[in-house]
Amino acid sequence: AQKVTQAQTEISVVEKEDVTLDCVYETRDTTYYLFWYKQPPSGELVFLIRRNSFDEQNEISGRYSWNFQKSTSSFNFTITASQVVDSAVYFCALSGLYNFNKFYFGSGTKLNVKP
Amino acid sequence: DGGITQSPKYLFRKEGQNVTLSCEQNLNHDAMYWYRQDPGQGLRLIYYSQIVNDFQKGDIAEGYSVSREKKESFPLTVTSAQKNPTAFYLCASSLSSSGGVHNEQFFGPGTRLTVL
Repeated sequence: AQKVTQAQTEISVVEKEDVTLDCVYETRDTTYYLFWYKQPPSGELVFLIRRNSFDEQNEISGRYSWNFQKSTSSFNFTITASQVVDSAVYFCALSGLYNFNKFYFGSGTKLNVKP
Repeated sequence: DGGITQSPKYLFRKEGQNVTLSCEQNLNHDAMYWYRQDPGQGLRLIYYSQIVNDFQKGDIAEGYSVSREKKESFPLTVTSAQKNPTAFYLCASSLSSSGGVHNEQFFGPGTRLTVL
């Protein structure tokens, strides 16, 4: 079975704080992909990153970084020096080996960044 | 500009009526998807289509129907059989995955459906 868990329902931080959003996944597939999306108040999901199961290197893109650890089945997302514009709901998703079109989404983490 | 359009943005319908949500993409993507999002929840897959004239049920297809007559269009009909249709509906598209690469899905702005 495929499953993604985002245990943090809502997080509030003050601007310039660092914040980490947790994502834990379950899959029996040996090959899979993980994704992060941002959903601002407008509602449209914005793609942030894709990572395949063979690439465990951490990735950094500006203030965003991702930590993929197969040993703990986690794919956590850190925002450094958060800004008010980072306020959104963030979703983690998984696609498995045999049905790559089917994404399994977590329930999302709502991030509130206060000025 | 390339992208996905959904119309209308807000839709109201009376109980017992069928309603069709539009989704169009000009990204030349083969695959298209419909998701439903309820407050405080993640996205649940309704239907998806990997190619024209073919589509598959997702996790919550009951009470919904789709068609894929053109590559760029994937309309969703919410029928009167759907017991609780009030939700936010998101359409997405992606390149077909090949060579073991799973491509990301790109999303439209969504349609918020309210049943009165």
